[in-house]
Amino acid sequence: QKEVEQDPGPLSVPEGAIVSLNCTYSNSAFQYFMWYRQYSRKGPELLMYTYSSGNKEDGRFTAQVDKSSKYISLFIRDSQPSDSATYLCAMTTGGGNKLTFGTGTQLKVEL
Amino acid sequence: GAVVSQHPSWVICKSGTSVKIECRSLDFQATTMFWYRQFPKQSLMLMATSNEGSKATYEQGVEKDKFLINHASLTLSTLTVTSAHPEDSSFYICSATPGTSGRGGTDTQYFGPGTRLTVL
Repeated sequence: QKEVEQDPGPLSVPEGAIVSLNCTYSNSAFQYFMWYRQYSRKGPELLMYTYSSGNKEDGRFTAQVDKSSKYISLFIRDSQPSDSATYLCAMTTGGGNKLTFGTGTQLKVEL
Repeated sequence: GAVVSQHPSWVICKSGTSVKIECRSLDFQATTMFWYRQFPKQSLMLMATSNEGSKATYEQGVEKDKFLINHASLTLSTLTVTSAHPEDSSFYICSATPGTSGRGGTDTQYFGPGTRLTVL
């Protein structure tokens, strides 16, 4: 079993839809959680960073962490075609330790 | 803030030659830099972790004599693929951590744009 599980998709939604992206993890030592967006042939771009259970909002993006269930989510409101990309969840135990990534979910927002 | 650059963005070389890829943190000092490899439609695979002034720590299965990493300063790390072969063709991405809280935490990694290596 992988430490971090993420549905690879592809996920196709119409423009304006609310998108829900999820990851589950098995290591309870993970304390810091990130979401990255990666466009084709580009490096990942940090979208959200959280370290506590609950919600964190930034514009159209909301990151949700449930440590008791070992489950994190990224919600995208009013999705746009420019949101079409691969979304990677990542997490770390902290203390400068390496990130553990999900496989990434490919999202396509259609006009 | 937290911009990381890579050079070159793409490179094509002949089998048997060596290729050097540079990773620079442009507006912060990076206590730690990471090198990843990514195959098409797959996630990032960590190759090695480097701290300024010390030897890199390689992940299991990564040949340290083939993938030479030098972290010469707090803003520059280089990856040299020695005696490259077609199977080394891939997308190489570096990342850096600032070590101080910013938009992300101290553990947040900021990624470069990647270097696409094609070995003929």
